[in-house]
Amino acid sequence: DAKTTQPPSMDCAEGRAANLPCNHSTISGNEYVYWYRQIHSQGPQYIIHGLKNNETNEMASLIITEDRKSSTLILPHATLRDTAVYYCIVRVAETGFQKLVFGTGTRLLVSP
Amino acid sequence: NAGVMQNPRHLVRRRGQEARLRCSPMKGHSHVYWYRQLPEEGLKFMVYLQKENIIDESGMPKERFSAEFPKEGPSILRIQQVVRGDSAAYFCASSPPTEHEKLFFGSGTQLSVL
Repeated sequence: DAKTTQPPSMDCAEGRAANLPCNHSTISGNEYVYWYRQIHSQGPQYIIHGLKNNETNEMASLIITEDRKSSTLILPHATLRDTAVYYCIVRVAETGFQKLVFGTGTRLLVSP
Repeated sequence: NAGVMQNPRHLVRRRGQEARLRCSPMKGHSHVYWYRQLPEEGLKFMVYLQKENIIDESGMPKERFSAEFPKEGPSILRIQQVVRGDSAAYFCASSPPTEHEKLFFGSGTQLSVL
């Protein structure tokens, strides 16, 4: 699986958009980008995933660059409850086994 | 539909005792994964199971650790003769048979070894 690089921490003001970058310059053509987050003392939560097109769901938007070497997770209106560690993970999506490899992620702090 | 249920939420054991961690996957999910998170570290994959089968245990320590997912009942992660280094948060996740890309995690079991 391709490695990802994320900033260790970011700050965001409540109500503003939080833009979390992820670099995955060695991504292969059949590898997807997944985002999970982990709120303190809880299990990780799936947010969104994509291959090459931008994706949006009720939680966030995922913007993937045309060369697919980087992506950005966007929380359009961050709330205090969005304070968490955000993990960007790249791996092949198959019908079989899924071993997600979690890195150290980005610690997002949303402040009033 | 209840989420992934793990119990106990907190478990305290003395060195040398056994720890049993339980995980009930979401209804309809037939795949279970166990992850371990040491203090201030990321989550590390341990084992992947389907009903009555261990599919991948490449992240499981070779000794003292075992996992099962019987035909009936929850998945069990068993740690024998616990040591202080086993103190960690243990998370279970499940996935549906047709959406392997999404893992649903439980709230974890915090194991403390005295």
